Amino acid sequence: AQTVTQSQPEMSVQEAETVTLSCTYDTSESDYYLFWYKQPPSRQMILVIRQEAYKQQNATENRFSVNFQKAAKSFSLKISDSQLGDAAMYFCAYKNRDDKIIFGKGTRLHILP
Amino acid sequence: GAGVSQTPSNKVTEKGKYVELRCDPISGHTALYWYRQSLGQGPEFLIYFQGTGAADDSGLPNDRFFAVRPEGSVSTLKIQRTERGDSAVYLCASSLKGKTEAFFGQGTRLTVV
Repeated sequence: AQTVTQSQPEMSVQEAETVTLSCTYDTSESDYYLFWYKQPPSRQMILVIRQEAYKQQNATENRFSVNFQKAAKSFSLKISDSQLGDAAMYFCAYKNRDDKIIFGKGTRLHILP
Repeated sequence: GAGVSQTPSNKVTEKGKYVELRCDPISGHTALYWYRQSLGQGPEFLIYFQGTGAADDSGLPNDRFFAVRPEGSVSTLKIQRTERGDSAVYLCASSLKGKTEAFFGQGTRLTVV
């Protein structure tokens, strides 16, 4: 069975600095998709970024980028130029080829002004 | 509507009662997911559907929980003989096959008193 592990329950970063959130996963499959979601206090889950496992190039969306290491089964999220609005819970998610999606337990990110 | 709709947004019920939670996915999305989220935790997988059939119900905690999607669109999560431990936010999401992310509803906050 696939699992997703986020080992940092909480992190803090100074406004305008860079922070990296960790995610590892366990799978025997070679074809899958990975996502980072943001959940602010409003509870609405918002997609931050996605990565297709067959693509070697790391995905980037403005200030958000990933470091995808397929052999190590690692998928970390880097947030550059952190802003107050980035404060939220961040969840790493794995989608298998049968479309089942599982989530990690999350990392609460605090932005310090 | 354009997004995933969940009703009710809040439900308070007495221990031992039966509840139904409804999810209306994005039109055309074949996959529909149910998750349970406790405060400060990640979405816990319960069940997901491909069309009308449950593709994986391994996350349902016990036989008091049941979900249906009779016409391949709207889904209902049913909880019998509710217990205080069932109190949580129940999230529904839908997705297309492959690289498409899951789109989430706002959730139903269930409180068992």
